[in-house]
Amino acid sequence: DAGVTQSPTHLIKTRGQQVTLRCSPKSGHDTVSWYQQALGQGPQFIFQYYEEEERQRGNFPDRFSGHQFPNYSSELNVNALLLGDSALYLCASRELGAPTNNEQFFGPGTRLTVL
Amino acid sequence: AQRVTQPEKLLSVFKGAPVELKCNYSYSGSPELFWYVQYSRQRLQLLLRHISRESIKGFTADLNKGETSFHLKKPFAQEEDSAMYYCALSAIIQGAQKLVFGQGTRLTINP
Repeated sequence: DAGVTQSPTHLIKTRGQQVTLRCSPKSGHDTVSWYQQALGQGPQFIFQYYEEEERQRGNFPDRFSGHQFPNYSSELNVNALLLGDSALYLCASRELGAPTNNEQFFGPGTRLTVL
Repeated sequence: AQRVTQPEKLLSVFKGAPVELKCNYSYSGSPELFWYVQYSRQRLQLLLRHISRESIKGFTADLNKGETSFHLKKPFAQEEDSAMYYCALSAIIQGAQKLVFGQGTRLTINP
């Protein structure tokens, strides 16, 4: 099991463009969360998906949207990119119904640079 | 609102010395706390969780509800402990779990 995988590894976009990031959860996991980690900061929760629906959302504008597919993989879409969207985007997965103290497993992240 | 505070962005100690990374939290519910670690060029990974009350790589952390703290401690630091450490709070909102992270402490162990 490769664990949580994310693609691409790095991405460079210009302001106003749109971007799609992808995540495949760890085998056996059905819940995917996305986090934004700006330089020098801890990860910030964007949203969580399970059963192909957004279940909880952090303090991020509607420009940030997502999707979960029947195979539990997920996409994060960001529209109208701003310079401030430059960050490391992390995907994390866990098993729904597992105890809340269960570990979330993180992917390696996608480094997005907006010029 | 949920909040996690790690007051030290940087912490440097000598090998063999004790180390303590501070974490304070704010949460109205019953807290579940974690320490995550990120070694150089590796992904974020769980170090320990408060409910397990276990020692991982010589690290321990005790939840102090009175002081709303979850400090990470190790009696004798090793060079391989150099890494970025994040304290995180598990918050359940409308049935969905999210992790609230502190801004992290970069620990450097000097030889």
